[in-house]
Amino acid sequence: DAGVIQSPRHEVTEMGQEVTLRCKPISGHNSLFWYRQTMMRGLELLIYFNNNVPIDDSGMPEDRFSAKMPNASFSTLKIQPSEPRDSAVYFCASSLTDSGSYTFGSGTRLTVV
Amino acid sequence: GQNIDQPTEMTATEGAIVQINCTYQTSGFNGLFWYQQHAGEAPTFLSYNVLDGLEEKGRFSSFLSRSKGYSYLLLKELQMKDSASYLCAVRDVLTGGGNKLTFGTGTQLKVEL
Repeated sequence: DAGVIQSPRHEVTEMGQEVTLRCKPISGHNSLFWYRQTMMRGLELLIYFNNNVPIDDSGMPEDRFSAKMPNASFSTLKIQPSEPRDSAVYFCASSLTDSGSYTFGSGTRLTVV
Repeated sequence: GQNIDQPTEMTATEGAIVQINCTYQTSGFNGLFWYQQHAGEAPTFLSYNVLDGLEEKGRFSSFLSRSKGYSYLLLKELQMKDSASYLCAVRDVLTGGGNKLTFGTGTQLKVEL
């Protein structure tokens, strides 16, 4: 298996632009997570899907952030409009629902200027 | 919510043993996890405790005391490649189904000659 695949690896965008991050989980994993990592706040859970259904989105910072999982093999995290404070590394992770371990993707390093 | 505390930084010598502590406060506890993250890379799963006691896995061991809300990660025969951030994470059961991991801010371990 190729693991969790995220794209793009790096994204530089101007403030106010829309940003879409993509994730392909490991085949057969039914839980998917979006995390954001910064030096100040560490790894923060943004949203969690189980069997393609959003279960917990309490970590989504504000309405500018939205996430979808239209099928078991694809998820997106969208920021519209983007702001400089959104600059961070965004990780996608997947697991089996009752598994003890998550597999993380390589992350998307987002810079909003 | 969750409150997870671990030291920010630690330094140890190659070949030595180091213990990284983690304390937590949470509801719906369903496991304590340790992840390793090298600079610029994704977190990778190291170990998992759901019952009290010590779990050994090669050079790495992890201990859990649920009554004390305490865990530690023990690294033996330290190698230079063990220099990384070590993240303590608590898994909670969600009322909507499934589980989620909440991470501490990580302990940056530096291994010196």
